[in-house]
Amino acid sequence: AQTVTQSQPEMSVQEAETVTLSCTYDTSESDYYLFWYKQPPSRQMILVIRQEAYKQQNATENRFSVNFQKAAKSFSLKISDSQLGDAAMYFCAYRSANSGANSKLTFGKGITLSVRP
Amino acid sequence: NAGVTQTPKFQVLKTGQSMTLQCAQDMNHEYMSWYRQDPGMGLRLIHYSVGAGITDQGEVPNGYNVSRSTTEDFPLRLLSAAPSQTSVYFCASSRTTTDTQYFGPGTRLTVL
Repeated sequence: AQTVTQSQPEMSVQEAETVTLSCTYDTSESDYYLFWYKQPPSRQMILVIRQEAYKQQNATENRFSVNFQKAAKSFSLKISDSQLGDAAMYFCAYRSANSGANSKLTFGKGITLSVRP
Repeated sequence: NAGVTQTPKFQVLKTGQSMTLQCAQDMNHEYMSWYRQDPGMGLRLIHYSVGAGITDQGEVPNGYNVSRSTTEDFPLRLLSAAPSQTSVYFCASSRTTTDTQYFGPGTRLTVL
């Protein structure tokens, strides 16, 4: 079974600075997808970024980028030029690329990011 | 295009009552699922469906039923509510079993 670990329950960053959120995972599969979801106080789960395991290039979406280290099973999220609206809980998640699996998203426990003005 | 919608947004039940949480998507997604979110636990899969007429259990299915009579709708039924079912419930859908899942706004359920 796959597991996702987010070991830091809370982090804080100064507005306009850069912060990195850590995530590690465990799997015996070679093909899978990794995600970061953002959950602001509104409770809505918002997709931030997605990484395909077969791609060596790290995914980027505007101010958000990942450092994907497949051998180390590490998937960190970097937020550049942090904004007050980035304050939220962030979840790292894993999904198998095997269509025969039950295809669930396996989530970490989340990390609460606060942004200081 | 409304995406994934859920009703109600909030609900309070008494122990033993039953109710149905509604979920609908207008993206013609084959895969739909229900998760519950508890403090410090992340999200856990309750039930899922890979298409109309096909459902299966996730990690925490006890006390919940689902059915999928159409591609668009995937209701979650609580048969006899218990305080342990107090949680936030999310419905999600994806085009395929491996594609990105998109989430509804959630339902906060309190069972007294």
